[in-house]
Amino acid sequence: AQTVTQSQPEMSVQEAETVTLSCTYDTSESDYYLFWYKQPPSRQMILVIRQEAYKQQNATENRFSVNFQKAAKSFSLKISDSQLGDAAMYFCAYRSLNTNAGKSTFGDGTTLTVKP
Amino acid sequence: DTEVTQTPKHLVMGMTNKKSLKCEQHMGHRAMYWYKQKAKKPPELMFVYSYEKLSINESVPSRFSPECPNSSLLNLHLHALQPEDSALYLCASSPGGGKNQPQHFGDGTRLSIL
Repeated sequence: AQTVTQSQPEMSVQEAETVTLSCTYDTSESDYYLFWYKQPPSRQMILVIRQEAYKQQNATENRFSVNFQKAAKSFSLKISDSQLGDAAMYFCAYRSLNTNAGKSTFGDGTTLTVKP
Repeated sequence: DTEVTQTPKHLVMGMTNKKSLKCEQHMGHRAMYWYKQKAKKPPELMFVYSYEKLSINESVPSRFSPECPNSSLLNLHLHALQPEDSALYLCASSPGGGKNQPQHFGDGTRLSIL
């Protein structure tokens, strides 16, 4: 079974600065997908960014980028120019190709605080 | 605005009540999911429907009964719940065919069992 570990329960960043959230995972599979989701206090889980394991190029979405190290099984999220609206709980998720409906495994989450 | 709509947003019920949670999406997604989430914890998968058929049941107690009447709707029927069932219940959907497609989540129903 796959496991996802987020070793930072809480992080804080000054507005306009950069922060990196860590995520490591354990799997015996060679092909899979990785996601970062954001859950603000409003409760809705929102996709931030995704990465296909077969792609070597790191995914980027505006101020959000990942550092995907397949050999190290690491998938960190970098948030540049942090904004107050980035404050939320962030979940890293692993999705296997080997299940019909794409079951996801989530990490325990990192609560990000953005200081003005 | 969320593309996955869940009703009600809040629900308080006694342990002997019967109630239902509803989830609706009109994105043409063919996979729908129920998750349970405790405060400050990740979502825990409960059920997955793929093309209106139950494909995953994560050993959920029978007091939770899912139903998928059609490709747009997903219900979760509740009966004789316990206080430990109080949580945020999230519905999600995904296209179903492509496993690299992310799940789209609703806002959740905050359930409190008295």
